[in-house]
Amino acid sequence: DVKVTQSSRYLVKRTGEKVFLECVQDMDHENMFWYRQDPGLGLRLIYFSYDVKMKEKGDIPEGYSVSREKKERFSLILESASTNQTSMYLCASSLLGPGVGETQYFGPGTRLLVL
Amino acid sequence: GENVEQHPSTLSVQEGDSAVIKCTYSDSASNYFPWYKQELGKGPQLIIDIRSNVGEKKDQRIAVTLNKTAKHFSLHITETQPEDSAVYFCAASLWGGSNYKLTFGKGTLLTVNP
Repeated sequence: DVKVTQSSRYLVKRTGEKVFLECVQDMDHENMFWYRQDPGLGLRLIYFSYDVKMKEKGDIPEGYSVSREKKERFSLILESASTNQTSMYLCASSLLGPGVGETQYFGPGTRLLVL
Repeated sequence: GENVEQHPSTLSVQEGDSAVIKCTYSDSASNYFPWYKQELGKGPQLIIDIRSNVGEKKDQRIAVTLNKTAKHFSLHITETQPEDSAVYFCAASLWGGSNYKLTFGKGTLLTVNP
């Protein structure tokens, strides 16, 4: 069974703090993704990575950065947290390539509150 | 880029009734259309998907239909049960090349009343 774990289920931070959200997958997947989920807005892609040290911007990358030093781990960084980054953050992973790589496996999410 | 519209945003049905959720997409090149189910407190999970070379796909009580000409696809759940209550997301993607992204709809909250 594919397992995607996220370091925290709930997180409370102050405005201006640097925040790290960690995601680990145990299935040797090449692709990893970070989404944020907001009521009425669905899932929006922040960043994704298709290989170690590779990253590509998604639809809403502003205010975020990512790091992928190891294949199994993908970190989302909020350099200076702001209240409008209060959200549910979901990590996902998938295999590489069409025909086998379409299914994305999601972690349980981290609910971040920025005060 | 791709844009996916999903309707309705909320749907309430009686147990045993059918439920239908509809999505439209904008990019005629999209060729892969998955549906994800998100239960309370969990991440989304794939429940069914369809590729553009197929018009319909069924898996027990759930089915997905695709109309490429009209650029819309639908999820059908028959004989609904309380455990079907969840948020459902449709998505669209162009697979092949370097594109690994899914574009999601905004979600439908389905409530099945016992």
